[in-house]
Amino acid sequence: DAGITQSPRHKVTETGTPVTLRCHQTENHRYMYWYRQDPGHGLRLIHYSYGVKDTDKGEVSDGYSVSRSKTEDFLLTLESATSSQTSVYFCAISDSSWYNEQFFGPGTRLTVL
Amino acid sequence: ELKVEQNPLFLSMQEGKNYTIYCNYSTTSDRLYWYRQDPGKSLESLFVLLSNGAVKQEGRLMASLDTKARLSTLHITAAVHDLSATYFCAVDRYYGGSQGNLIFGKGTKLSVKP
Repeated sequence: DAGITQSPRHKVTETGTPVTLRCHQTENHRYMYWYRQDPGHGLRLIHYSYGVKDTDKGEVSDGYSVSRSKTEDFLLTLESATSSQTSVYFCAISDSSWYNEQFFGPGTRLTVL
Repeated sequence: ELKVEQNPLFLSMQEGKNYTIYCNYSTTSDRLYWYRQDPGKSLESLFVLLSNGAVKQEGRLMASLDTKARLSTLHITAAVHDLSATYFCAVDRYYGGSQGNLIFGKGTKLSVKP
């Protein structure tokens, strides 16, 4: 298995609070991605990174920000959580943007009350 | 805007039978990926298809890509219970590009019954 961990694995929070999810990899892959998975929607890309301090928006980036200060860590922040952000969040990594076989972390289940 | 559609979304099969899952996409793309997800688990990469006519096989699963028809198929041969899972296809958003954005289908939930 690719060395990808996500923390926390489960979180319950209240509307309006800030939340940060962490993705950590030991593979030294250049590309990292944050997705959310919701019933009936498959996976949707939130943000991605193509190097340290290089990030860009995905399909559903509103309400989310990211940071990548080291190759191994990619943080996803919900500045002010809303109930619509209740979801399962997956981090993924790849070492090529062309042969873009992505390897996924175990996921974080976030509930916003 | 690239859209990826899978069908069927739900599939109940009997063990030993064959079936095909279809993945259609709306704009030109040259890379397609298949993933498997077990309930409550993460996604596992199954196949990477990089060119028109590409065919990959692993065990009872075979994937193919027709870029002209914008269609990929995942064929299941002689299904067994262990193949029960949700299968996703994903297409690269930028044809020939280097952005590395994948657009996923909604998934096909496969249930194989004895």
